[in-house]
Amino acid sequence: EAQVTQNPRYLITVTGKKLTVTCSQNMNHEYMSWYRQDPGLGLRQIYYSMNVEVTDKGDVPEGYKVSRKEKRNFPLILESPSPNQTSLYFCASNQGITGELFFGEGSRLTVL
Amino acid sequence: KQEVTQIPAALSVPEGENLVLNCSFTDSAIYNLQWFRQDPGKGLTSLLLIQSSQREQTSGRLNASLDKSSGRSTLYIAASQPGDSATYLCAVNTFGGKLIFGQGTELSVKP
Repeated sequence: EAQVTQNPRYLITVTGKKLTVTCSQNMNHEYMSWYRQDPGLGLRQIYYSMNVEVTDKGDVPEGYKVSRKEKRNFPLILESPSPNQTSLYFCASNQGITGELFFGEGSRLTVL
Repeated sequence: KQEVTQIPAALSVPEGENLVLNCSFTDSAIYNLQWFRQDPGKGLTSLLLIQSSQREQTSGRLNASLDKSSGRSTLYIAASQPGDSATYLCAVNTFGGKLIFGQGTELSVKP
């Protein structure tokens, strides 16, 4: 089954404790991206990647890092999480810049 | 800077009605526009994708149109059902790979 898988789905952590949210897709898509969804602000793009070793900033990249060492994986790294990074995070992938987007189920992160 | 607006923010209709959701964007330089459905606490499910060279796309009871010159897209839902209740989001794919989302329309279809 074609899918985008995120882990963990739920996480509560404390300020400053590094964490990684993994994202994996099994559709051999070139493009992958991360978004956060907040009430009243909607979905905003954090980072995107057009291919292996190619990443670029979205609209809200501050406080986040990404890497794309393999085509199927695109982890989101929070080096020193802060409470304002409490949010619902989504990973997505698409084939080519004009391809249909497929989303993961989301990861709900709470930073205390 | 590209901005995407969806009106109305919320809509409640009786079952069986045909309805239209609106999406407008400020910059016509886009690759495509995509409509999504999001159920509470869930991820986004793609409904329809319209490339910039297309005028409309249809899937079952759903029809999406795109007028790039006026910066507008509509999602038409025919014969609405309670199972259509969800939040509907549009997103424009801008040149350079950035995806900009609207705030969404929360649809409630009453039995």
